[in-house]
Amino acid sequence: EVQLVESGGGLVQPGGSLRLSCVASGFTFKNYWMAWVRQAPGKGPEWVANIRHDDHRNYLDSVEGRFFISRDNAENSIFLQMNRLTAEDTAVYYCARVGLNTGYDVNDYWGQGTRVTVSS
Amino acid sequence: DIVMTQSPDSLAVSLGERATINCKPSQTLSESSDLAWYQQIPGQPPKLVIYGASTRESGVPDRFSGSGSGTDFTLTISSLQAEDVAVYYCQHRRTFGQGTKVEIK
Repeated sequence: EVQLVESGGGLVQPGGSLRLSCVASGFTFKNYWMAWVRQAPGKGPEWVANIRHDDHRNYLDSVEGRFFISRDNAENSIFLQMNRLTAEDTAVYYCARVGLNTGYDVNDYWGQGTRVTVSS
Repeated sequence: DIVMTQSPDSLAVSLGERATINCKPSQTLSESSDLAWYQQIPGQPPKLVIYGASTRESGVPDRFSGSGSGTDFTLTISSLQAEDVAVYYCQHRRTFGQGTKVEIK
């Protein structure tokens, strides 16, 4: 059974940093692109970043230069280092697997999410 | 960037009746394979329902179907069940629609 478990969310002041983690199980992790997708309160999902098995990365324009996605294939994990956080980054952050044959950036499995609140 | 616009924003359908949700990209999608639909039940993460515009994800009931191409795509629930109450999102690559809330009439 595929499982994705996020951790690391919390309350942080504007300008602060946070590191999110996601541990995956139930599939051959190194074969898959992985992604972070966020959802602000009352809004739809918003793609944030993704990473390929060889560490090729892509970012949403508004987080480029502030967020850094990484992965550890030995630990079946991905991470999101978030710096210079603003109120607009407040959201539930989901770790998601990108399907192999489902089309570009289609996420076939999602974690339960970790909540990030940026507030003073 | 392509903008995905869904209609309606919400709809109420009687149990057993058909629910139809539309998704309109701001530009023609050259590849229908890049259109997906997700279901999000309150308090849960999104769940993939349809990919490639019309392929049901494994385990999804066959009352769910997707169709369309170019600038017009549709998600249809042929006979609405109580467990289908959710918000549905279309997606093209890294862009999601604003969502359509489906409720029971």
